[in-house]
Amino acid sequence: SQTIHQWPATLVQPVGSPLSLECTVEGTSNPNLYWYRQAAGRGLQLLFYSVGIGQISSEVPQNLSASRPQDRQFILSSKKLLLSDSGFYLCAWSVPEGWEETQYFGPGTRLLVL
Amino acid sequence: AQKITQTQPGMFVQEKEAVTLDCTYDTSDQSYGLFWYKQPSSGEMIFLIYQGSYDEQNATEGRYSLNFQKARKSANLVISASQLGDSAMYFCAMRDDDYKLSFGAGTTVTVRA
Repeated sequence: SQTIHQWPATLVQPVGSPLSLECTVEGTSNPNLYWYRQAAGRGLQLLFYSVGIGQISSEVPQNLSASRPQDRQFILSSKKLLLSDSGFYLCAWSVPEGWEETQYFGPGTRLLVL
Repeated sequence: AQKITQTQPGMFVQEKEAVTLDCTYDTSDQSYGLFWYKQPSSGEMIFLIYQGSYDEQNATEGRYSLNFQKARKSANLVISASQLGDSAMYFCAMRDDDYKLSFGAGTTVTVRA
């Protein structure tokens, strides 16, 4: 069965510090991968998605970036965090199946920028 | 433009009763998929149920059913026999473009004993 991991679970970082959040998927090959952010009490905002190694599409221009160095690894980064980067970050994967494909989410990382 | 609208920010339901969560969507595509997710206080998004635009039958998964009314562009989630563990936030989502899910703002459900 497929499993998705995210770490760390919680992170408190000062403004201006760098960020690296990691997501890995087990039990599947060539998944589509996604990074979302959720502000408190709000819906999900798609940040990045990837259909293959080294292929990243950005949905929202900001100081975040994403990379996919391996087939089942997705990394969200920032060189300098802003207060507005605080939120709940969720990674998701899906098997490419057109408009029927279902996304499955990881446990998330709560980021607080102070 | 908002693709998914969930008009109920919060709902209370008595244990063992049914509850309906409203979801309307906006798309000009003929092919699309509709999804419901549950988000408990732990934060993880749990996939509940899927309905394809061409599916003639309403989707069901255990105590979850989706009341799909295509002409009205609505995809309401019905939870039958509510349990205390159903207390969570519920999100409706639609996929009508490559790789992208559009989420609604969510509805918080609180089940009372």
